[in-house]
Amino acid sequence: LAKITQPISMDSYEGQEVNITCSHNNIATNDYITWYQQFPSQGPRFIIQGYKTKVTNEVASLFIPADRKSSTLSLPRVSLSDTAVYYCLGHGGYQKVTFGIGTKLQVIP
Amino acid sequence: GAGVSQSPSNKVTEKGKDVELRCDPISGHTALYWYRQRLGQGLEFLIYFQGNSAPDKSGLPSDRFSAERTGESVSTLTIQRTQQEDSAVYLCASSLGSGPKNTEAFFGQGTRLTVV
Repeated sequence: LAKITQPISMDSYEGQEVNITCSHNNIATNDYITWYQQFPSQGPRFIIQGYKTKVTNEVASLFIPADRKSSTLSLPRVSLSDTAVYYCLGHGGYQKVTFGIGTKLQVIP
Repeated sequence: GAGVSQSPSNKVTEKGKDVELRCDPISGHTALYWYRQRLGQGLEFLIYFQGNSAPDKSGLPSDRFSAERTGESVSTLTIQRTQQEDSAVYLCASSLGSGPKNTEAFFGQGTRLTVV
């Protein structure tokens, strides 16, 4: 399982783009990189997953460089409702899915 | 059902009693996970099922904790002789589990356990 390092917390003003970078130096060849979002009193929710290069969906973009030792979750024009904890995971199939402590994003009006 | 269902949503129990927490995964999901989350903390992995077998029980904190899964569906997490430090939200998740691309985990709302 990849060893994950991400910032504990970040603050951003509404309307700004937020980039959260995750370090996973020992990610395995088969591992995908997945990001989850968790609001208070709820279970985590899948945001985006990628293997290499760039992935974009209606919620976020995920940038993964060629060496795959890090990844960056990009949230465009955040709003107050994006205040949450964001978890970065590196994992393959048929194994446990381990969450770290995540990055607590606080969006400020 | 459409999502992962956990019951009860809240449980208050006296120290020393046993509790059973139930998880109904999404139909067809072969992988099932249990996590514990203490207030203000991250998710602590407890156990993972692939089908009815548990290839990874490494996260169970003590022999008071056990889990089973039957029929590749419902799972129960049992905590015997509960202690106050067991107070937490217990989250269950399921996923298709058939390969790296299918490991998106869908979470239930959790069971909030309070040991008094």
